[in-house]
Amino acid sequence: EVELLQAGGGLIPPGGSVRLSCKASGFVLSNHWMHWVRQVPGKGLVWVARISYDGSRTDYADSVQGRFTVSRDNSHNILYLEMKTVRAEDTAVYYCVREGLLSGYGTWFDPWGQGTLVTVSS
Amino acid sequence: DIQMTQSPSSLSASVGDTVTMTCRASQHIVTYLNWYRQKPGRAPELLIYAASNLQTGVPSRFSGRGSVQDFTLTVAGVQADDSATYFCQQSFDSPQTFGPGTKLE
Repeated sequence: EVELLQAGGGLIPPGGSVRLSCKASGFVLSNHWMHWVRQVPGKGLVWVARISYDGSRTDYADSVQGRFTVSRDNSHNILYLEMKTVRAEDTAVYYCVREGLLSGYGTWFDPWGQGTLVTVSS
Repeated sequence: DIQMTQSPSSLSASVGDTVTMTCRASQHIVTYLNWYRQKPGRAPELLIYAASNLQTGVPSRFSGRGSVQDFTLTVAGVQADDSATYFCQQSFDSPQTFGPGTKLE
């Protein structure tokens, strides 16, 4: 079964750091771009970051550029999101997602991890 | 960034009803439009990709249509289990952006 299992998160003080992880199973991680998406509880979905197959390319939302780092360990099928200098507005549920694509059909996100809540508060 | 809007923001239905919700992009996105369902307390799940293609395992009561800027998701024969928020997402341009959602009750 294709699955993404997340770990990390919790209560983080403003200015602090935390690393989220996402363990992939049922597929070969290195065959896919991977993304992080976040959602303030009760609100919409916002794309955060993405990383290419081999980790050579990364892209970030303007709101997290320079503070968050996405990385991957393909040998262990794990995706990471390191969050530094966190702010109250970073409080959200964070999801890791696998990118699917088909030429001429665009891309999509499937599956999604179960989500992990990051709360930034003193 | 491409802005996505959805309407209505919420709708109520009875079991067996057919409901349709819409999604509009701020610019043309061809058919690079996906639909997701998010049940309360759960992660989103992919229903439809590329506007009209049903993801494997998704019931055939879900269908999608549209192109360019305007898209619809129809649920024919709503089930109680379909109570959820439905989001659209464009993958035409980066960053990929989502609509605010339609809550089906």
